[in-house]
Amino acid sequence: ETGVTQSPTHLIKTRGQQVTLRCSSQSGHNTVSWYQQALGQGPQFIFQYYREEENGRGNFPPRFSGLQFPNYSSELNVNALELDDSALYLCASSLGGRPTGELFFGEGSRLTVL
Amino acid sequence: ILNVEQSPQSLHVQEGDSTNFTCSFPSSNFYALHWYRWETAKSPEALFVMTLNGDEKKKGRISATLNTKEGYSYLYIKGSQPEDSATYLCAFFPISGGSNYKLTFGKGTLLTVNP
Repeated sequence: ETGVTQSPTHLIKTRGQQVTLRCSSQSGHNTVSWYQQALGQGPQFIFQYYREEENGRGNFPPRFSGLQFPNYSSELNVNALELDDSALYLCASSLGGRPTGELFFGEGSRLTVL
Repeated sequence: ILNVEQSPQSLHVQEGDSTNFTCSFPSSNFYALHWYRWETAKSPEALFVMTLNGDEKKKGRISATLNTKEGYSYLYIKGSQPEDSATYLCAFFPISGGSNYKLTFGKGTLLTVNP
């Protein structure tokens, strides 16, 4: 068990709606990364937050946004949902965001957009 | 666009068999290579983080090797057990990746170990 918790575990939304996913990082970790895993694909990097600032972003449109709070927990917000946003969203925490440090993942939030 | 390929996509082995699978990544600008084990309905769990060409790491019956010059890593499982059944993911981080944690993942290898 990694100590990284995500909520909700499953949710269903309709096109055009907005969704907020939450992540509590492992104790002592100041960096949170979000990944999207679509069916049949590997996880794709959405963005990373380090000490409450966005610290890098993948190829996702601006309707994907995030926050990191002083306790280092994080939110992923997706506006104007599209069918292709249906995926498993993974949160991972780490210390300092170093590429040589392992990521600690949560179990994910599965989003279905109808 | 970085390309990380894993093969095979899936495999079935019998308990006690040894097995291995491959992760291929760009050989230029290498910085780090990660291996994760992902059991169904659980969270991905780090196995190894490798940075040096020729490095070999071991954790119990699982080991990994790294060749950064030709751009591949092998993961070996000796004497597979049913509890080894999982998806094994590799992820690549290039030198040019900047300060953020933009790992590029492969699609994974799904291993099923039959009792």
